[in-house]
Amino acid sequence: EDQVTQSPEALRLQEGESSSLNCSYTVSGLRGLFWYRQDPGKGPEFLFTLYSAGEEKEKERLKATLTKKESFLHITAPKPEDSATYLCAVRLRGFQKLVFGTGTRLLVSP
Amino acid sequence: DARVTQTPRHKVTEMGQEVTMRCQPILGHNTVFWYRQTMMQGLELLAYFRNRAPLDDSGMPKDRFSAEMPDATLATLKIQPSEPRDSAVYFCASGLVPIGQDIYEQYFGPGTRLTVT
Repeated sequence: EDQVTQSPEALRLQEGESSSLNCSYTVSGLRGLFWYRQDPGKGPEFLFTLYSAGEEKEKERLKATLTKKESFLHITAPKPEDSATYLCAVRLRGFQKLVFGTGTRLLVSP
Repeated sequence: DARVTQTPRHKVTEMGQEVTMRCQPILGHNTVFWYRQTMMQGLELLAYFRNRAPLDDSGMPKDRFSAEMPDATLATLKIQPSEPRDSAVYFCASGLVPIGQDIYEQYFGPGTRLTVT
């Protein structure tokens, strides 16, 4: 069965304390892995798309990487405004829908 | 700043009542998705449309849910009759599939928070 698992469920960091969020997947035929950020009371906000193992993308303090079995979202020197839930999703070959993980709730304290 | 818009943002209704949620996709996007988010299940796809035609509604309870796209600027999700277990946040997302490609990003609206009592 196609599955997306995110860890940890929750992460608390001090401002400036770098860390990584994990998204592991067991799917047959990956056609894209997506990272979204979701703030309370809002819809998911698109961050990155990764298509193939070895690919990396960066945006400000965020860097996403992809291997054949997992993706990491690295957060360098986070700030309190980076606090949010980070969702990853995979798109399967032959399907248009995204399968979402349950997310990692990140809290960055000043 | 192009965005997906959804109305209403909040809806409280009694069990058995009809609920209609509306979505205006980003102008020019040709694919529209309806998702439901709960604490227990996370984000689940209910249905999606390409060029206004329904392509997949397998995630939707057929007996009470229906989704339509009357025109390119409006998508609707209707629940009749509503039940307490339908309480959730319903998101609409839209995307543009480039010609000759099948990978694209989905952009989400702010959601409709539905409470059925």
